[in-house]
Amino acid sequence: GESVGLHLPTLSVQEGDNSIINCAYSNSASDYFIWYKQESGKGPQFIIDIRSNMDKRQGQRVTVLLNKTVKHLSLQIAATQPGDSAVYFCAEASRRGGATNKLIFGTGTLLAVQP
Amino acid sequence: DAEITQSPRHKITETGRQVTLACHQTWNHNNMFWYRQDLGHGLRLIHYSYGVHDTNKGEVSDGYSVSRSNTEDLPLTLESAASSQTSVYFCASSDPSSGGTDTQYFGPGTRLTVL
Repeated sequence: GESVGLHLPTLSVQEGDNSIINCAYSNSASDYFIWYKQESGKGPQFIIDIRSNMDKRQGQRVTVLLNKTVKHLSLQIAATQPGDSAVYFCAEASRRGGATNKLIFGTGTLLAVQP
Repeated sequence: DAEITQSPRHKITETGRQVTLACHQTWNHNNMFWYRQDLGHGLRLIHYSYGVHDTNKGEVSDGYSVSRSNTEDLPLTLESAASSQTSVYFCASSDPSSGGTDTQYFGPGTRLTVL
């Protein structure tokens, strides 16, 4: 079946450093990707998204890179802060009737920011 | 402000009992989703709906049902709760129509324990 990033690695970084969280996806037909942040005891929170007609998109302190050739997605967080500590999920979209509605999630990466 | 809420936030029940988890959103989104989250599996789709009176099975729908009688609500029912259904349940909504995106917005979750 389709899979997205079936790993749960832990990334430990020092406060102020840049973080890079990686995700592999398997469905070459997917054309929409999202990164979510989930803090302990809360629901996933949207961070940034990207469509397959782009290879890079920037937000506030975050950048998402998409490499369709190797089906790889990454999330870069600049100047990581303690408040960035959370589990980060990537998700890919499943199309239906031309509209993208369903998302398939990976198991996530735990980002631990050391003060 | 528009939002998505879930109730109850915590529920303990016994094997064999019927349980209903509520999800309510005030964004007027057409699409609503139910996921369960377990360690090692990430977010798995249970059921989803693309509009009033529309329901669809996700990848782990056995033992669950949903109904969509209005735009705002998508209650999730466990007909006969089993210990394997102990999990954290998240509701989400999205609306890619009218220029919107496929981004799903999540509720705070319901922690269900089946004894």
